Amino acid sequence: QVQLQESGPGLVKPAETLSLTCTVSGYSIMSGYNWAWIRQPPGKGLEWIGSVYLGSTLYHPYLKSRLTISVATSKNQVSLKLASVTAADTAVYYCARQPDTDYYMDVWGNGTTVFVSS
Amino acid sequence: DIQLTQSPFTLSASVGDRVTITCRASQSISKWLAWYQQRPGKAPKLLIYKASSLEGGVPSRFSGGGSGTEFTLTITSLQPDDFTTYYCQQYHTSPWTFGQGTKVEVK
Repeated sequence: QVQLQESGPGLVKPAETLSLTCTVSGYSIMSGYNWAWIRQPPGKGLEWIGSVYLGSTLYHPYLKSRLTISVATSKNQVSLKLASVTAADTAVYYCARQPDTDYYMDVWGNGTTVFVSS
Repeated sequence: DIQLTQSPFTLSASVGDRVTITCRASQSISKWLAWYQQRPGKAPKLLIYKASSLEGGVPSRFSGGGSGTEFTLTITSLQPDDFTTYYCQQYHTSPWTFGQGTKVEVK
């Protein structure tokens, strides 16, 4: 059974880079599927951030200039880096699996909370 | 971006009720719509994909319908675990977008 687990620092200072990792177990990310990041600000709705399919990425246009999503196949991990963060980036960050050609999210991690504050 | 508008924002109901949540898209998305359930403090859970396909393991009291710009999520015979928040998501055109959510609360 595939499981996803997000990890990373819970507190990031403004203007710094937020770095998160999603560790996938029970499935090899080399075998396919897209791997997505979604976030949810406190008390608000869900926002897709970006996705990666092996070496190919798709980013939300308004985050594209600050965002890097990559895969480490040897570690079976997906990573997210978001540069120049502000308080508006405070959120619960989820990683999720997306089928190859249907971009809904069928398996989700538990999420990790990130606060941006000095 | 394709905007999704859910209605109502909040729905008050009782155990055993049949309820319907609507999701309207700002342009046609064919059948490329999913529904999720999110309990407080938990990750979303996929219920329905391709507008009407039930995800494995999801109770049959959940059903989805619609195409184009108007979609529905229906829960027949509400159970205590169903009182929570539901989101729709379109995957017709990137960026993939979500509705603002509908909270189903106890009347």
